[in-house]
Amino acid sequence: QVQLVQSGAEMKKPGTSVKISCKTSGYIFTNFYIHWVRQAPVEGLEWMGLINPFGGSTNYAQKFQGRVTMTVDTSTGTLYLEVNSLRSEDTAVYYCARDLVRRGDGGDPVFDYWGQGTLVTVSS
Amino acid sequence: EVVLTQSPATLSLSPGEGATLSCRASQTIGGYLAWYQQKPGQPPRLLIYDSSTRATGIPARFSGSGYGTDFTLTISSLEPEDFALYYCQQRGNRPATFGQGTRLDIK
Repeated sequence: QVQLVQSGAEMKKPGTSVKISCKTSGYIFTNFYIHWVRQAPVEGLEWMGLINPFGGSTNYAQKFQGRVTMTVDTSTGTLYLEVNSLRSEDTAVYYCARDLVRRGDGGDPVFDYWGQGTLVTVSS
Repeated sequence: EVVLTQSPATLSLSPGEGATLSCRASQTIGGYLAWYQQKPGQPPRLLIYDSSTRATGIPARFSGSGYGTDFTLTISSLEPEDFALYYCQQRGNRPATFGQGTRLDIK
C-alpha cells in the first residue's frame, strides 16, 4: 500500500534551519509529483511547493522562494524539505503529499496520499 | 491567488441527519475543486476531487457538486465517524489554495 512516512518533531531556534524527510513506498516513486503543504494555526493549510522525483525539478510558492529547498534521494525513495531562516511564524505541521494528477507540470495538484506530518516548533 | 471561503464555520448536527457544506471561490476555477476531511492528529484525507469525483474508498454518502465559483459537499446521512473538519482546495488557478475549513460537530 502507498505510504509516506515523515521524520519526527523538531524544535528550532529563530534564524536556524530545519530539514524534514518523507520516505515513500508502495508505488513507483518516479511516477508522481510530491508536494509539501504546511498547516499553521492562523494561516491554515498552505501549499509550499513541489518536486518531481523523476529528475528533481522543483517549483516553489512565491512566498517561500529563496528560503526553502526540496530535494530527492532516488536511491531510497526519500524526499526532503529544508526551510532556512526560521521564524516563529514557521511553527506548523509540515506534510508531504502525493499528487494524484500525473499529467502536466504538477502545478494543478490533487493530494491523494499524505505523510503523517512533522511538527516544527520555532521558539527562542 | 484564489481565496476560498467556506461556510458555515461550524455546523452542529446529529447522526443520521444530512449535511451541506459550502465553498466559494474569489474567481472562477472551473470544476477544479477538492474536498478533504481531517480528524485531530491526522493528515487531511481526500474525499472528492474535480468537484464531484469520489476518491478511492470513499463511501457513497459523500457527494460533491458545483462549477465556477460555488461548490457544495453533501453528506447524505451522517455517521459518527463523519464528525471532523472539512477543507476545500482549488487547482483551477495557480497556486493551489485551501479554504479555512468547516467544523462538523455532534449536536
